[in-house]
Amino acid sequence: DVVMTQSPLSLSVTLGQPASISCRSSQSVVYSDGNTYLSWFLQRPGQSPRRLIYKISDRDSGVPDRFSGSGSGTDFTLKISSVEAEDFGVYYCMQGSHWPNTFGQGTKLEIK
Amino acid sequence: EVQLVESGGGLVQPGGSLRLSCAASAFPFSRSWMAWVRQAPGKGLEWVAIVNPDGSERAYVDSVKGRFTVSRDNAKNSLFLQMNSLRAEDTAVYYCGRDPEFGAIDIWGQGTMVTVSS
Repeated sequence: DVVMTQSPLSLSVTLGQPASISCRSSQSVVYSDGNTYLSWFLQRPGQSPRRLIYKISDRDSGVPDRFSGSGSGTDFTLKISSVEAEDFGVYYCMQGSHWPNTFGQGTKLEIK
Repeated sequence: EVQLVESGGGLVQPGGSLRLSCAASAFPFSRSWMAWVRQAPGKGLEWVAIVNPDGSERAYVDSVKGRFTVSRDNAKNSLFLQMNSLRAEDTAVYYCGRDPEFGAIDIWGQGTMVTVSS
């Protein structure tokens, strides 16, 4: 199985400051069609996860443009350009290129 | 309103069985890949299973293979997860989700709690 490793596992950020989460896969998550199926999700306490980004960098509608995804192959990053209060929660990366799909351990973002 | 609603969770003894259901509305369910994802108490997300639109193709995480079966009834816009030989480590909130493209689950249910304990 593809192991997804996130870092850091927790992050405390002052409002208005940037934040960055790394996600590394144990093998390439480039699919045979040439696409890389790497998504990012946010789960707030007591809520279901919500998709933010798919295929590395495509942002979902309604997701603020302060969120951006980047990377390739085995190395991916989620960046928040200026953290706002509503950004708290646990962020997960997930690869969908190989079965079983696998999630990272999660990164808990706290607001200072 | 686009939504998924899970049901069927509860308390079950080790070795027992449970069938989860997921009712879909306001999106083309019969053309959608559907997945189950679980989350043990205080832990992260774990992908469990997936089924293609006509139910002919399925995949599972190794830890549930041979014990869990994912199925669907497109006429009733419903997804199911039959869970047999349940173990304590299967205790989790189970979410169903629509997977429009290789793991990028864009619609999530509210989850249903399964507790395996004597």
